[in-house]
Amino acid sequence: DARVTQTPRHKVTEMGQEVTMRCQPILGHNTVFWYRQTMMQGLELLAYFRNRAPLDDSGMPKDRFSAEMPDATLATLKIQPSEPRDSAVYFCASGDRREKLFFGSGTQLSVL
Amino acid sequence: GENVEQHPSTLSVQEGDSAVIKCTYSDSASNYFPWYKQELGKRPQLIIDIRSNVGEKKDQRIAVTLNKTAKHFSLHITETQPEDSAVYFCAALRNAGGTSYGKLTFGQGTILTVHP
Repeated sequence: DARVTQTPRHKVTEMGQEVTMRCQPILGHNTVFWYRQTMMQGLELLAYFRNRAPLDDSGMPKDRFSAEMPDATLATLKIQPSEPRDSAVYFCASGDRREKLFFGSGTQLSVL
Repeated sequence: GENVEQHPSTLSVQEGDSAVIKCTYSDSASNYFPWYKQELGKRPQLIIDIRSNVGEKKDQRIAVTLNKTAKHFSLHITETQPEDSAVYFCAALRNAGGTSYGKLTFGQGTILTVHP
């Protein structure tokens, strides 16, 4: 049963530190999304890639967030410097050519 | 861009009753409408989806209906069970060919509680 793999599952860090989250999409999927989930905002789209090309990162605070896809098996989301308001669950999801989306288990981020 | 509104935000039913969650969308070019279920502390999981060339789709106790003219779609769960308790998200997408390049826009979610 193919799954999207995200690491780490949990991350606790101090304000100002760099945070890197990693995602391995399902093999053969051509679309990768990063979502942030908080109680107040639901599932908020941060960025997405199609065939490794960034298509939309308008939901991402560009001064501190960056998303990359160095190869077809790895997507990264970085926050530098991190702030307490970044505390949330970050989900990566990959999509097949029929647009069905499959989510990873998420990274629970706490910035103190 | 697309805007998806979902109602109600919370829904409480007795076991065995039916539950209905409704969503409206703004982009008339959207043509794919999935529903996701998220249990506490877990990932959202696709439970059913419908494309714009179909008006209704069923899978055992769950069904989705789509009204393209009114731009709304609904999730129906019959004979609810306590394990149906979760947050349900609707979403809408316009496939590549338009400018959205397959970007899913989610509703705000509905917390469904099924009481034994």
